[in-house]
Amino acid sequence: DAGVIQSPRHEVTEMGQEVTLRCKPISGHDYLFWYRQTMMRGLELLIYFNNNVPIDDSGMPEDRFSAKMPNASFSTLKIQPSEPRDSAVYFCASRAHNEKLFFGSGTQLSVL
Amino acid sequence: EDQVTQSPEALRLQEGESSSLNCSYTVSGLRGLFWYRQDPGKGPEFLFTLYSAGEEKEKERLKATLTKKESFLHITAPKPEDSATYLCAVQGGGSARQLTFGSGTQLTVLP
Repeated sequence: DAGVIQSPRHEVTEMGQEVTLRCKPISGHDYLFWYRQTMMRGLELLIYFNNNVPIDDSGMPEDRFSAKMPNASFSTLKIQPSEPRDSAVYFCASRAHNEKLFFGSGTQLSVL
Repeated sequence: EDQVTQSPEALRLQEGESSSLNCSYTVSGLRGLFWYRQDPGKGPEFLFTLYSAGEEKEKERLKATLTKKESFLHITAPKPEDSATYLCAVQGGGSARQLTFGSGTQLTVLP
């Protein structure tokens, strides 16, 4: 298996623009997580899905953030409009029930 | 609310110099404590899961231990390739599927 695949690896955009991050989880995994990592706050859980259904989005910082999982093999995290304070590394992770968590390589987002 | 505190923030060792990293936690009903390794520009990579006090797990030069309040990651005779950030995370009873991560310890092993 190729592991959790995220795209793009790097994204540079200007404040106010829409940003879409993409994730393909490991086949057969029924949980998908979106994390954000910064130097100041470390790894923070934004939202997670179980069987494509959002379970807990309490970590989503603002209404500017939204996430979808239209099917078992694809998820998106969208920021609209983006702001400089959204600059961070965004990780997608997946796991099967009661199994260990596998992370993707992350998307480095820079909002100018 | 589950909390995880890791210390030290950074650690520099000479090759072969053994040491330990600390992870202190407060959690409501521990389901599991996890150790991950993160290399620059990559996502965290799973190392160990510990479930109950007294449990130990080993992998090459690493050994993880668990008490009711903290976990240690012991590194024996480290090599430069062990340089990475080590993250600790807990899964509590009140957060069925979430992990709460510590801020990590950045380990540098000098040749």
